[in-house]
Amino acid sequence: GAVVSQHPSWVICKSGTSVKIECRSLDFQATTMFWYRQFPKQSLMLMATSNEGSKATYEQGVEKDKFLINHASLTLSTLTVTSAHPEDSSFYICSRQTREYGLNEQFFGPGTRLTVL
Amino acid sequence: GENVEQHPSTLSVQEGDSAVIKCTYSDSASNYFPWYKQELGKRPQLIIDIRSNVGEKKDQRIAVTLNKTAKHFSLHITETQPEDSAVYFCAARGSGNTPLVFGKGTRLSVIA
Repeated sequence: GAVVSQHPSWVICKSGTSVKIECRSLDFQATTMFWYRQFPKQSLMLMATSNEGSKATYEQGVEKDKFLINHASLTLSTLTVTSAHPEDSSFYICSRQTREYGLNEQFFGPGTRLTVL
Repeated sequence: GENVEQHPSTLSVQEGDSAVIKCTYSDSASNYFPWYKQELGKRPQLIIDIRSNVGEKKDQRIAVTLNKTAKHFSLHITETQPEDSAVYFCAARGSGNTPLVFGKGTRLSVIA
């Protein structure tokens, strides 16, 4: 069964509004979760690493003030796209790794498709 | 940081033929190499993975090979079927809590 859930699965919003995406680890308390973005017909690009109880680590070129990440609990990380613009329209996917040390499998959430009008 | 290159970007094969997708990585410290299959609008699904202490791994029609010296790894799909049509991504990562770095993907089309 699914080990990572995301909500909402899709969202349409007006330009200038903010959108919050939730990512939940269902079977394991994840101290670290990853946020990826995927534009149509492109690969998954890492946006940031979400760390429970501390600030997220953003990849180069990703605006931390625009993509706010909160990892307030061990099972929930949220990504808020602030003042969204049409160019932010994308597929946003979160993920976490397995709990077992030495096993590296990374589980992905079902993704959230954001469309900004 | 790690950089993963993937080729080809598109691949068309006849049903029943084999398909091979190749990836190279830059960070010699990387030790985990998964392959994901992604269908349109869905999350990536792990289909096979290999760790740096293994040179080859097979699971039914799917196999992966790893050459650590050359820093490249490949996905082999035999007896392809139309349902194998999807985008395939290779990825690499190091030890610890580091994220996966993905290749750009290969769109595989299996023609019936």
